[in-house]
Amino acid sequence: NAGVTQTPKFQVLKTGQSMTLQCAQDMNHEYMSWYRQDPGMGLRLIHYSVGAGITDQGEVPNGYNVSRSTTEDFPLRLLSAAPSQTSVYFCASRRGQGFSYEQYFGPGTRLTVT
Amino acid sequence: TQLLEQSPQFLSIQEGENLTVYCNSSSVFSSLQWYRQEPGEGPVLLVTVVTGGEVKKLKRLTFQFGDARKDSSLHITAAQPGDTGLYLCAGARYGQNFVFGPGTRLSVLP
Repeated sequence: NAGVTQTPKFQVLKTGQSMTLQCAQDMNHEYMSWYRQDPGMGLRLIHYSVGAGITDQGEVPNGYNVSRSTTEDFPLRLLSAAPSQTSVYFCASRRGQGFSYEQYFGPGTRLTVT
Repeated sequence: TQLLEQSPQFLSIQEGENLTVYCNSSSVFSSLQWYRQEPGEGPVLLVTVVTGGEVKKLKRLTFQFGDARKDSSLHITAAQPGDTGLYLCAGARYGQNFVFGPGTRLSVLP
């Protein structure tokens, strides 16, 4: 049982490049989400999904796309990277949308855009 | 402006000391969580509180949810170096997603 896995661990992009951050969970959780963490800002919700085929925007969705074709995978796509997207990105999952469910985080992807 | 404020921002103490960190908001939350995050890792959930005035204990950690459900505190007794990390609170209003505070970075020196 690996929990929530994220790849890559580190990535450097040039402005305008695109890439996909991968996230997978093996706990059969319905609810998955993407956060970014910046110094002094806490974690901010980018996009989330309440089940396969269903996604919605969070607090800071601009510049990011997501899809959820399977329960296990929830990739985050940067369409045209900008220096403002330099951050640490965390994927998380929990069994359902209810607040009582424990949320599990992946180890993060540290992204630098030059 | 942040929906959730945490204080202090940084705290450095000696092993064996007690400490309290705070999480405050002007909003009422249905649920509030505390996480600990170590360098290079994702946050790990410590506790969820849902009832105003609720107190939960986890070994040397005591969590309290304010009566009005707008604030919370985390008290650590006899801190140990293993308690070092970033402590995050996260609150959710009914029907909405969790919002995270900026965190308190704790360093416990041996």
